[in-house]
Amino acid sequence: EIVMTQSPATLSVSPGERATLSCTASQSVSSTLAWYQQKPGQAPRVLIYDVSTRATGIPARFSGSGSGTEFTLTISSLQSEDFAVYYCQQYNKWPQTFGQGTKVEIK
Amino acid sequence: EVQLVESGGGLIQPGGSLRLSCAASGFAMNYNYMSWVRQAPGKGLEWVSVIYSGGNTHYADSVKGRFTISRDNSKNTLFLQMNTLRAEDTAVYYCARGNSAWYDYWGQGTLVTVSS
Repeated sequence: EIVMTQSPATLSVSPGERATLSCTASQSVSSTLAWYQQKPGQAPRVLIYDVSTRATGIPARFSGSGSGTEFTLTISSLQSEDFAVYYCQQYNKWPQTFGQGTKVEIK
Repeated sequence: EVQLVESGGGLIQPGGSLRLSCAASGFAMNYNYMSWVRQAPGKGLEWVSVIYSGGNTHYADSVKGRFTISRDNSKNTLFLQMNTLRAEDTAVYYCARGNSAWYDYWGQGTLVTVSS
């Protein structure tokens, strides 16, 4: 099983600042990586797939990068609605696996 | 508009069985692969099972032999039959539509609590 490790566990950021979230895979997942956002009491919502492609309706302030085992989600200027938990997911091999999440909180 | 609506969760004793349903609308389920993903209270996401458009299935090791995924194309509904439930199966269960292996639509989830 491919283990996905996200860092940091919690990120404290002020509105308007940049947030950088990391995701590391225990082995190469090529470009088969997605990012999801989850707010309390809600289902996850896809933000990014195939490392860097924004899903429909996702604002341009969200961007993804990386390849192989190291990946990054960047939120260029945090808005109030962006404070949430973010998960990365690899879909290169079964079982699909998710990271443990990074909580982005208001500083 | 694509919608996924789960049902069937509840409180069940250890060793019991439960069947979850996920009613889909806005698309034909049999043309997509569909998964169940669960989330234990306060924890992260865990993929549970998938059924492909052709009917093939996969399971996480943690549920293999106890859970069965299926679908009824005529009712556009996905199911998860869960047997021999354990306390560690307690979670919100989401159904999700696969789009080239990532998930573009998720249901609102149904809570399964396994406790005596």
